[in-house]
Amino acid sequence: AQSVTQLGSHVSVSEGALVLLRCNYSSSVPPYLFWYVQYPNQGLQLLLKYTSAATLVKGINGFEAEFKKSETSFHLTKPSAHMSDAAEYFCAVSPMIYNQGGKLIFGQGTELSVKP
Amino acid sequence: GAVVSQHPSWVICKSGTSVKIECRSLDFQATTMFWYRQFPKQSLMLMATSNEGSKATYEQGVEKDKFLINHASLTLSTLTVTSAHPEDSSFYICSATDTSGRKSEQFFGPGTRLTVL
Repeated sequence: AQSVTQLGSHVSVSEGALVLLRCNYSSSVPPYLFWYVQYPNQGLQLLLKYTSAATLVKGINGFEAEFKKSETSFHLTKPSAHMSDAAEYFCAVSPMIYNQGGKLIFGQGTELSVKP
Repeated sequence: GAVVSQHPSWVICKSGTSVKIECRSLDFQATTMFWYRQFPKQSLMLMATSNEGSKATYEQGVEKDKFLINHASLTLSTLTVTSAHPEDSSFYICSATDTSGRKSEQFFGPGTRLTVL
């Protein structure tokens, strides 16, 4: 069984500050891990994904995440927040045994607010 | 590339009527499509997995007779909410996987906002 826990349903940072969104996963098999962003009334956009290559994954819009197996974590970071980063962020896990886009299990989501 | 569309983007219907939502992969072929439901301020919950040419696989607790899913071609899946009630009001999102070689990624549609009066 797989699950994802996002610590903090709401994170608020100042513009220019570090963004850190936390994600811990549980998986009985090697996982694929994803971060998605959702703007109001829109679908999900993939920020980045971990698929067993490099543990430090760089994504779009300056975001990156590091896969730490020992900590079962996949935290999302960005060095300097922009106002346009304000959105809902979802961490998701999929079992690596599926190699064509398997079932995704989503975390609860973290709403990021960016203060001027 | 890898664009998924949904139609309609929003719909309002009366209680007891049926509503059909379309999900299309515009520039790729998708053997598998997924349907999610998202309530306000909540995460996405997978409703069902739809494979082209076969019956959908529903998640536990999802009524297959109420949420009819058809995946008749490699570019189109439909979700029909039958005899809709106010509690079915939600944001429905589909996703599709690309069978041309991209692995481990789903491409999401923009969602459909359903309001049942």
